[in-house]
Amino acid sequence: NSKVIQTPRYLVKGQGQKAKMRCIPEKGHPVVFWYQQNKNNEFKFLINFQNQEVLQQIDMTEKRFSAECPSNSPCSLEIQSSEAGDSALYLCASSLQGRDTQYFGPGTRLLVL
Amino acid sequence: GDSVTQTEGQVALSEEDFLTIHCNYSASGYPTLFWYVQYPGEGPQLLFRASRDKEKGSSRGFEATYDKGTTSFHLRKASVQESDSAVYYCALSEPGYQNFYFGKGTSLTVIP
Repeated sequence: NSKVIQTPRYLVKGQGQKAKMRCIPEKGHPVVFWYQQNKNNEFKFLINFQNQEVLQQIDMTEKRFSAECPSNSPCSLEIQSSEAGDSALYLCASSLQGRDTQYFGPGTRLLVL
Repeated sequence: GDSVTQTEGQVALSEEDFLTIHCNYSASGYPTLFWYVQYPGEGPQLLFRASRDKEKGSSRGFEATYDKGTTSFHLRKASVQESDSAVYYCALSEPGYQNFYFGKGTSLTVIP
């Protein structure tokens, strides 16, 4: 069973507000991924890290989304100015290597009103 | 580019029916293939994976065989139970890349 911890489980924000969610990867996993899962269950990759360094990120992430994985602290994903279209389940996953099995947390469900 | 195509939408079966969810992939190299399952309110969890041609992955009565010739990794179960109701995802990763490609998911509902 996965030991990836995500908080909070639910987040409700108004449009334009900041939304921040956190992830603690499995112990010993240096690679962390963030995905957005929409209501049709589709995954959209947002960003991934190896240790504290960004490996890849999509254009959307570069504009309103910011993420970090500081050493000895939880990883975080923050939306600077939430929009209704950001309402989704945000999943964090960790792995030993980028192409290895990913272990997912339960997700943070964001609702932007 | 790399991609995964699986049976889309919803599948409804009765208990003890045979399940097949199709998964075909497109990749330039020799990918590792995965099946994940996601229950309501939870994150996806690994069912099993396979890395080589003809390798069979299995777990909890589910199985799939890596077939490089047909670029497929179809999920099968001989007799489904109500507790198997969930969304199933086929996924792949390639050596040298730091990312996964997920299919769009297949929602399975098993009617008791």
